[in-house]
Amino acid sequence: LAKTTQPISMDSYEGQEVNITCSHNNIATNDYITWYQQFPSQGPRFIIQGYKTKVTNEVASLFIPADRKSSTLSLPRVSLSDTAVYYCLVALSGTYKYIFGTGTRLKVLA
Amino acid sequence: EPEVTQTPSHQVTQMGQEVILRCVPISNHLYFYWYRQILGQKVEFLVSFYNNEISEKSEIFDDQFSVERPDGSNFTLKIRSTKLEDSAMYFCASSAPGLREDTQYFGPGTRLTVL
Repeated sequence: LAKTTQPISMDSYEGQEVNITCSHNNIATNDYITWYQQFPSQGPRFIIQGYKTKVTNEVASLFIPADRKSSTLSLPRVSLSDTAVYYCLVALSGTYKYIFGTGTRLKVLA
Repeated sequence: EPEVTQTPSHQVTQMGQEVILRCVPISNHLYFYWYRQILGQKVEFLVSFYNNEISEKSEIFDDQFSVERPDGSNFTLKIRSTKLEDSAMYFCASSAPGLREDTQYFGPGTRLTVL
């Protein structure tokens, strides 16, 4: 049974780096790992996507170890507006079914 | 920037009624998806759709659900006989094929309330 787990919540202060890890034990071998941000009553918003090693864009970095059974989203310097729920999304091995992680509620404090 | 749109934003219906939720995916995308999110819970996969047929569906997507791409732009989710437990946010997503372009982009959602 595929499980995609994340810490339930995290608190951080403005300007700090935040790392959120997702564990995905049954990931598809040829699919990407994607991270999303979700604000209340809105759709998930794309942050970053990667396949292996490290990916960086203008808002985040994504670290993926060689076994791809986990991934870590890194937000370099969070601000109050980064308070949201963060989800990883992976494809279930051998399928086109997608599994969201359990979600991490990040609260950024002033 | 192109985006996925969904209508209506909020749908209220009586138990047992049929509802159709509509989505307009990003225009050059070929893969389409529906997800749902019950209040306070995580987003759950319902179905993926490609080339006018279902690619995969979850255990949630039973005979009460159907999807259709009636024309070149819309993608719909129909719930034939709604139940109280169908109350949720429903999100449509679309993605383009290709090695680096399979990111799913989500719409703003339709809040379905079944009374």
